[in-house]
Amino acid sequence: DIQMTQSPSSLSASVGDRVTITCRASQGISNYLAWYQQKPGRAPKFLIYAASTLQSGVPSRFSGSGSGTDFTLTISNVQPEDFSVYYCQQYYSAPYTFGQGTKLEIK
Amino acid sequence: QITLKESGPTLVKPTQTLTLTCTFSGFSLSANGMGVGWIRQPPGKALEWLALIFWDGDKRYSPSLQSRLTITKDTSKNQVVLTMINMDPVDTATYYCAHRPPTGTFFDFWGQGTLVTVSS
Repeated sequence: DIQMTQSPSSLSASVGDRVTITCRASQGISNYLAWYQQKPGRAPKFLIYAASTLQSGVPSRFSGSGSGTDFTLTISNVQPEDFSVYYCQQYYSAPYTFGQGTKLEIK
Repeated sequence: QITLKESGPTLVKPTQTLTLTCTFSGFSLSANGMGVGWIRQPPGKALEWLALIFWDGDKRYSPSLQSRLTITKDTSKNQVVLTMINMDPVDTATYYCAHRPPTGTFFDFWGQGTLVTVSS
């Protein structure tokens, strides 16, 4: 199985900050990586696929990058509605594993 | 507009079998490239992918749970059913079904989820 490791597990930020979340795969996955946002009590919301392609309707302050084993999700100019848990997911091969999540909290 | 909704029991006893149904609209599971997956999330924990069924009937399972899972589809009813045998308290989780688009095995639309508690 491909293991996905996110860092940090949590981070604090203020509105307007730029934040970066890292996701590392235990083996190369090319660009077969997706990102999700989840708010308490809600289903995950799909943000990004192919490591850097934004889903339609996702604000442009969200961006993704990376290839191979190392990936990042960046949120520039963090807004109040962005404080959530973020998950990466590899879809290079089954089982389609998720990272453990990164909680973005208000400082 | 794609929508999915999970249905099934909210409480099952240990050793019992769980059957969850995902009823969807806005796409056809017979269309090339489509799929429906199941993902679960224990309270306060991370997401865990369980199973996926493709438009052509191909199936994939989490290796750690494969012996306990069965996924099937009824294209005429727009439903996907997940069965998990021999339930245990550690299987207590919110279970989600989600749409897999033709572009890859990620999940762009999710159901609201259903919390299943395993307890005697």
